Amino acid sequence: GAVVSQHPSRVICKSGTSVKIECRSLDFQATTMFWYRQFPKQSLMLMATSNEGSKATYEQGVEKDKFLINHASLTLSTLTVTSAHPEDSSFYICSASGQRGLANQETQYFGPGTRLLVL
Amino acid sequence: GEDVEQSLFLSVREGDSSVINCTYTDSSSTYLYWYKQEPGAGLQLLTYIFSNMDMKQDQRLTVLLNKKDKHLSLRIADTQTGDSAIYFCAACLSGTYKYIFGTGTRLKVLA
Repeated sequence: GAVVSQHPSRVICKSGTSVKIECRSLDFQATTMFWYRQFPKQSLMLMATSNEGSKATYEQGVEKDKFLINHASLTLSTLTVTSAHPEDSSFYICSASGQRGLANQETQYFGPGTRLLVL
Repeated sequence: GEDVEQSLFLSVREGDSSVINCTYTDSSSTYLYWYKQEPGAGLQLLTYIFSNMDMKQDQRLTVLLNKKDKHLSLRIADTQTGDSAIYFCAACLSGTYKYIFGTGTRLKVLA
């Protein structure tokens, strides 16, 4: 249980285009979703936190106009990388937390990640 | 702010026990987590411990928490080659749902 999916798993795009990544909680309602970025052989860096129906809270140094986050429902959040450039190439991982039966509400369940390559 | 540290590498022989260590700085962290990441994949939740506990066991996994020293460890008994992965500890910041992740420990299991 507590499954989170991401789509697409891999995407290659040209510089200057925008890319949308979806994150879905499949069997629970995610009151909060998180977006992380992971560089090769490094830890996860939190980009932003989003709560359903409200604006995302971005971490320091993350450009909100560059990385648009929408959390329109309790099961879906999207991250749009606008005007992507090669330096945006990375592994993007989402996570979701929320009440599910007796599950710990503070526990984050992670998606499988999306590898973005910008040419 | 919160800082979470781990050793970078650990190598063990198949069948031995593995112990992965983690230290954190925020004594008010409520929950502490262990996640496993295989190459090219997301993070799989292994186990978590609440800050008022000092030990939790779940099959081959044992988590020890020394709150005084702000030290967390994950012991994997009878380590198998399928356990080779990167292991992250994470501390949940008090009053938030945000995690601070450690640097990750790359576990290599030798056959």
